[in-house]
Amino acid sequence: DAGVIQSPRHEVTEMGQEVTLRCKPISGHDYLFWYRQTMMRGLELLIYFNNNVPIDDSGMPEDRFSAKMPNASFSNLKIQPSEPRDSAVYFCASSLAVYNEQFFGPGTRLTVL
Amino acid sequence: AQKITQTQPGMFVQEKEAVTLDCTYDTSDPSYGLFWYKQPSSGEMIFLIYQGSYDQQNATEGRYSLNFQKARKSANLVISASQLGDSAMYFCAMSPGSSNTGKLIFGQGTTLQVKP
Repeated sequence: DAGVIQSPRHEVTEMGQEVTLRCKPISGHDYLFWYRQTMMRGLELLIYFNNNVPIDDSGMPEDRFSAKMPNASFSNLKIQPSEPRDSAVYFCASSLAVYNEQFFGPGTRLTVL
Repeated sequence: AQKITQTQPGMFVQEKEAVTLDCTYDTSDPSYGLFWYKQPSSGEMIFLIYQGSYDQQNATEGRYSLNFQKARKSANLVISASQLGDSAMYFCAMSPGSSNTGKLIFGQGTTLQVKP
């Protein structure tokens, strides 16, 4: 079975541009998580979904960030407008249920110039 | 406050020897889960091992074992017979039970280098 799939793997953009990160969770997993990893702040949970419904978005930095999960096999994270401080690796993860291990995608390395 | 603390920013171990990576946690929830993940230089996050707070025995997965000491709130990862491929960053994480969400709180990580 394929693992969690993320695209693109690398994204370089200029400040002010819209950025869209995509994620396909493992089939059958009911939970989907978006994380951000930086040297300064480590791994932070941004938002997570249960059965396509956003449950907790308290980690989303500000209104420039939004995430949707239109169906069980796709989620996207948008940043509009992007800023240099958004530069980070963004991970998507999915899990079968609460307390199950989360399986991470390969990450998207975002650089905002 | 719910928190994971990894006090060792970096560790060295000789190939074929065992190494222990420390992790302490703080939670008032009686029910929680503890996880270890490995992040090699390629960047992906790899799940290693899980321990539930009510599990009576320490978790083991191949060369990985989790030394769970509930009273001390510690969940150290033991890697036996280290291999060069074990060189990576290791993260301890906790899923607190009160929220019943599976939400993970990560520590800052420990970088392990295995010497040949």
